[in-house]
Amino acid sequence: EVQLVQSGAEVKKPGESLKISCKGSGYSFTSYWIGWVRQMPGKGLEWMGIIYPGDSDTRYSPSFQGQVTISADKSISTAYLQWSSLKASDTAMYYCARDTTPDYWGQGTLVTVSS
Amino acid sequence: SYELTQPPSVSVSPGQTARITCSGDALPKKYAYWYQQKSGQAPVLVIYEDSKRPSGIPERFSGSSSGTMATLTISGAQVEDEADYYCYSTDSSGNHRGVFGGGTKLTVL
Repeated sequence: EVQLVQSGAEVKKPGESLKISCKGSGYSFTSYWIGWVRQMPGKGLEWMGIIYPGDSDTRYSPSFQGQVTISADKSISTAYLQWSSLKASDTAMYYCARDTTPDYWGQGTLVTVSS
Repeated sequence: SYELTQPPSVSVSPGQTARITCSGDALPKKYAYWYQQKSGQAPVLVIYEDSKRPSGIPERFSGSSSGTMATLTISGAQVEDEADYYCYSTDSSGNHRGVFGGGTKLTVL
């Protein structure tokens, strides 16, 4: 059974750094792209970017380029989304999803940024 | 940047047919995908490659695409189908960059 399990909810202050994770199982982790999707409170889905764990090839949406970093550690079948300096506007639910045309999704990680 | 456009809301009575549209310039060349998101839950794929239905998705869900418009049809909509629906596709650059439509709130009552 394909599963994507994300790390737990985070509460951070503006300016802090953060790295959230997404662990894949039940399939060949290095053979499928993993993408990240943002959903701000009460809003729609926004595609952020994807990574191919097999060679770490990474693509970003122009809206998120330079704002976040996507990475992966294929040795532990885990993809990451990180921020170096959070803003209040980063408050959102973040989902990971398998493949460039997402078929399986993680349960989501709620990130709250507040002073 | 590439955009997909959906109506904000669609409303039907139980048993009626609901149609949700998605328009985008690259849709003649790229497949459309549809996701259902119920309140507080992760999205679920209900249609892939314009018209294919994943295992476990009821037959009342179908998809089609013609020109720059893709359509999700729910034949005989049920109360449990009330949710937000998002279309998704990739841009035509070949860079695997994805884009979601703005979402359509389906009300069944």
